[in-house]
Amino acid sequence: GQSLEQPSEVTAVEGAIVQINCTYQTSGFYGLSWYQQHDGGAPTFLSYNALDGLEETGRFSSFLSRSDSYGYLLLQELQMKDSASYFCASGGYNKLIFGAGTRLAVHP
Amino acid sequence: NAGVTQTPKFRVLKTGQSMTLLCAQDMNHEYMYWYRQDPGMGLRLIHYSVGEGTTAKGEVPDGYNVSRLKKQNFLLGLESAAPSQTSVYFCASSYGSGRGHEQFFGPGTRLTVL
Repeated sequence: GQSLEQPSEVTAVEGAIVQINCTYQTSGFYGLSWYQQHDGGAPTFLSYNALDGLEETGRFSSFLSRSDSYGYLLLQELQMKDSASYFCASGGYNKLIFGAGTRLAVHP
Repeated sequence: NAGVTQTPKFRVLKTGQSMTLLCAQDMNHEYMYWYRQDPGMGLRLIHYSVGEGTTAKGEVPDGYNVSRLKKQNFLLGLESAAPSQTSVYFCASSYGSGRGHEQFFGPGTRLTVL
């Protein structure tokens, strides 16, 4: 079986840094992906970690520790437009299982 | 490039009615997927396809059928709609083997079954 756990909500202020954690249980591991979804919109791909360590893409970074079955998404210099839901996902060969999502609210 | 498109955007059905949701992609992707998303939940995989003429079951396939007669199109059918199928349906596509972690999603279809 496979499951991914992430916090349901996170709140932060503009300009701050926020970390969204994801722990997973998988029968086979093919890396950890992160997606962003604004209300009423479609999910969009943010990042992917196949190996341990940190991947950086602009203001967003993603980290993976396979030995701990744990990863996180780090958002820096938060902006109001970052208010959205963030999903971690993993899965078997080209089949993604998504976590329930973390709703991030950014306040002025 | 239009990316991934879905039709219709909204639909209301009565219990027992049937309908087909159409997904099209113009990125020449091998893999296509259908998900459903319910309030406060992540996406759950219904069916997927790894190439033209192939389909396979995902996490929640019951009550749905799919077909992929052309590489660019992936159809999702509901033969006899039930209120439990009220949801937002997303289609996605990705490149071939080993690159399924980066999926491109359509705008979604909001389906209500009364």
